Amino acid sequence: DSGVTQTPKHLITATGQRVTLRCSPRSGDLSVYWYQQSLDQGLQFLIQYYNGEERAKGNILERFSAQQFPDLHSELNLSSLELGDSALYFCASSVVGTSIGELFFGEGSRLTVL
Amino acid sequence: AQSVAQPEDQVNVAEGNPLTVKCTYSVSGNPYLFWYVQYPNRGLQFLLKYITGDNLVKGSYGFEAEFNKSQTSFHLKKPSALVSDSALYFCAVRDMESGAGSYQLTFGKGTKLSVIP
Repeated sequence: DSGVTQTPKHLITATGQRVTLRCSPRSGDLSVYWYQQSLDQGLQFLIQYYNGEERAKGNILERFSAQQFPDLHSELNLSSLELGDSALYFCASSVVGTSIGELFFGEGSRLTVL
Repeated sequence: AQSVAQPEDQVNVAEGNPLTVKCTYSVSGNPYLFWYVQYPNRGLQFLLKYITGDNLVKGSYGFEAEFNKSQTSFHLKKPSALVSDSALYFCAVRDMESGAGSYQLTFGKGTKLSVIP
């Protein structure tokens, strides 16, 4: 158990809808990262938050947004969903204040868009 | 920009034989290198990392990896494969020169390891 909690584990929805994925980082970790895993694209970095502020942005679509709350949990919002958004979405967290620490991943949220 | 290549989509090895999963990287500065394993329907689990120092890094579950700066490689190895090692393996890199506080990893596409009984 990595200590990173993601909900929901599975989500099935229709095209055009909006969903919210939630992540609670490990106790004490201030950084949260979101990744998307799909068969054709592999693991793609979406966005990173550090102590409530956006720190880095990767291949995140404009239809997607994220935020990190004062209690450090994070939410990834996916809107106007398309079939191609079906993927496994991972949250990860890392030790505060170091660039050499590994990321700790949650179990993921599997999104299916029908 | 940083990138990672895992040239083999799949590696098959007989139980008890040594295994190698290949990884090459590209960064503008010096790299931090990582290996993760993903079992079916699970998240990624950290195996080992190279930061600096000895080129041979030992990690979890008997795995080790060899850093080769001249070949920009970081191959994952294990002397004797187990059926339970069957999983998806990811190599990842972080550039030491990444922007302050920007510590995300760039992952390879993964290599599926199948250990045959």
